[in-house]
Amino acid sequence: QVQLQESGPGLVKPSQTLSLTCTVSGGSISSGGYYWSWIRQHPGGGLEWIGYIYYSGSTNYNPSLKSRLTISVDTSKNQFSLKLSSVTAADTAVYYCASQIITVGGAGYFNYWGQGTLATVSS
Amino acid sequence: DIVMTQSPDSLAVSLGERATINCKSSRSVLYSSNKKNSLAWYQQKPGQPPKLLIYWASTRESGVPDRFSGSGSGTDFTLTISSLQAEDVAVYYCQQYYSSPFTFGPGTEVDIK
Repeated sequence: QVQLQESGPGLVKPSQTLSLTCTVSGGSISSGGYYWSWIRQHPGGGLEWIGYIYYSGSTNYNPSLKSRLTISVDTSKNQFSLKLSSVTAADTAVYYCASQIITVGGAGYFNYWGQGTLATVSS
Repeated sequence: DIVMTQSPDSLAVSLGERATINCKSSRSVLYSSNKKNSLAWYQQKPGQPPKLLIYWASTRESGVPDRFSGSGSGTDFTLTISSLQAEDVAVYYCQQYYSSPFTFGPGTEVDIK
């Protein structure tokens, strides 16, 4: 069974860059069959898909965050990472990494999730 | 973007009774190629990540109790818990994967009456 674990600083200052890493275990990130996604949940509860990366390095970002977002992959470490620049208080959220299964139509549902990590933007 | 809405915002149901949650998408999420609806349901308990319950609108994920069922097509979908158990107290979200950006409903909170 695939397991995912987020890691990274819990506190980021406004205007700085939020950096998080997701470590995948129980399966190879290079095996194909999945996109590797980031999703966040604001304190109010809403879930927002941030973007995904394929093991080859191809990405798809939410247009609402695209100008500030970089997702990368390190297949040698079985990890993928998120960098969100110029953060504000509105970026305060629990950040989840998840596997997004590839279906006949393309990217599909999220079948495995990490436990999530709270990132707070505050001076 | 496809906008997902859910109703009600919350509901309280007696143990053993039926709970019904509705989800509506702003556009059809029916794939013409495989005639399946690109709609998933998740359950989230406090302090936990969402858990996949249903995909393709009506296919139960492995290990999910059969009291959970999904139905609907096009733009209107329903998640039904046929006999509510105490462990089903949670927030339930629908999500479309028909087109990017992939979007979630605002959630429905289910509690015990």
